[in-house]
Amino acid sequence: GNSVTQMEGPVTLSEEAFLTINCTYTATGYPSLFWYVQYPGEGLQLLLKATKADDKGSNKGFEATYRKETTSFHLEKGSVQVSDSAVYFCALRPTGGYNKLIFGAGTRLAVHP
Amino acid sequence: GAGVSQSPSNKVTEKGKDVELRCDPISGHTALYWYRQSLGQGLEFLIYFQGNSAPDKSGLPSDRFSAERTGGSVSTLTIQRTQQEDSAVYLCASSAPGQGSYEQYFGPGTRLTVT
Repeated sequence: GNSVTQMEGPVTLSEEAFLTINCTYTATGYPSLFWYVQYPGEGLQLLLKATKADDKGSNKGFEATYRKETTSFHLEKGSVQVSDSAVYFCALRPTGGYNKLIFGAGTRLAVHP
Repeated sequence: GAGVSQSPSNKVTEKGKDVELRCDPISGHTALYWYRQSLGQGLEFLIYFQGNSAPDKSGLPSDRFSAERTGGSVSTLTIQRTQQEDSAVYLCASSAPGQGSYEQYFGPGTRLTVT
């Protein structure tokens, strides 16, 4: 079946540090991949997406590349800020599966000044 | 424009009572989804509505859970005879399939606590 595995948190970093949150998936065919972010007290927001192999999604300094050979979609940011503190969810939409997203467990990021 | 809205934002109920959670999708969005976010299970898909098609109920955890969507817009998720394991944040999302994006826009959620 379809599933998403992401690294357990919390991840604690100092401001301006490099961030990587690992995400791997299991799916048949060619799913679309997403990163969602949930800031404290707010709803889920789409951060970035990639719909085919080798696509790179990017937004707000975050990047993730769709790697079909390693079934991965790792989230990276070169220099994190305190305002990036949030919970990050990796998700996939199965091939032809317009009807739902499969989410990872979420990774909490805490950035300290 | 207005995003997805949900009500109530918080609901505390006693075990065994029925609850109704409401979702107002973004105007014009034909697809509507319900998810549940709980500590033990993460984010789980519950049910999906698309236009006038039969809903995909494959994620509903038991027959105590049901949902309807009236007039292709507002949706209500009903949980009958609530149990403590139903405590979670219930999230609604909507999207506009056919416009190439399929991006789902989430509401702020309803936090349900069953005592």
